[in-house]
Amino acid sequence: QVQLVESGGGVVQPGRSLRLSCAASGFTFSSYGMHWVRQAPGKGLEWVAVIWYDGSNKYYADSVKGRFTISRDNSKNTLYLQMNSLRAEDTAVYYCARDARLLWELRYYFDYWGQGTLVTVSS
Amino acid sequence: EIVLTQSPGTLSLSPGERATLSCRASQSVSSSYLAWYQQKPGQAPRLLIYGASSRATGIPDRFSGSGSGTDFTLTISRLEPEDFAVYYCQQYGSSPKTFGGGTKVEIK
Repeated sequence: QVQLVESGGGVVQPGRSLRLSCAASGFTFSSYGMHWVRQAPGKGLEWVAVIWYDGSNKYYADSVKGRFTISRDNSKNTLYLQMNSLRAEDTAVYYCARDARLLWELRYYFDYWGQGTLVTVSS
Repeated sequence: EIVLTQSPGTLSLSPGERATLSCRASQSVSSSYLAWYQQKPGQAPRLLIYGASSRATGIPDRFSGSGSGTDFTLTISRLEPEDFAVYYCQQYGSSPKTFGGGTKVEIK
C-alpha cells in the first residue's frame, strides 16, 4: 500500500534553516510528481511546492519562493524540502502528497498524503 | 488568484441526515478542476472527489460532488458517524492552486 512518511520537523529560530524528508513506498515513486502542502495550526491548507516525477521542473508558492527548495532522490524514494530564512508564519504541519496523475500529466490534486511533520518557528 | 469560499462554516447534523456543503469560487474554475477532501482531527486530508464529480478510489457512494463554473457542492446523502469531520474544496485549474477555508460537519 502507498505510504508517505515525513520527518525532520521541529522547533527552529527565525532566520534559521530546516530540511524535511518524505520517504515513499508502495508505488513507483519515480513516476509521480510530488508536492508539499502545509497547514498552520487551526487553519486551512496551503500548497507549497511541486516537483516533477523526474525532477525536471519545480514550482513554488509565492510565499516561499526564494527561501524553500524542493528536491527528490528517486534512487532513495525520498522527497525533500529545504527551508531557509524561516519566519514565524512558516509555522505549520507540512505534508508531502502525491499528485493524482502519472508522469507529466500533473493535475495538482492529491490522492495520498503523509501524516505530516510539525515545524515551529519561534525564538 | 481564485478565492474559494466555503459555507456554512459549521454544519450541525445528526447521523442519517443529509449534508450539503457549498464551495463558491471568485472566478470560474477551468475544466471543473475542483476537488474535495475530508480531514479528521490529527489526520491528513483524504481525497474524496476530483473533477467536481468523480469519486476517488474507495470512497463510498453516499459522497457526491456537483457543480461547474463558480458554484460547487459536496453532498453526503446519509451521514455516518465516521463522516463528522472538516471538508475542504480545492481548485487546481488555475495557478496558484488554492483551497477553501473548510466546513466543519459536527454532530448535533
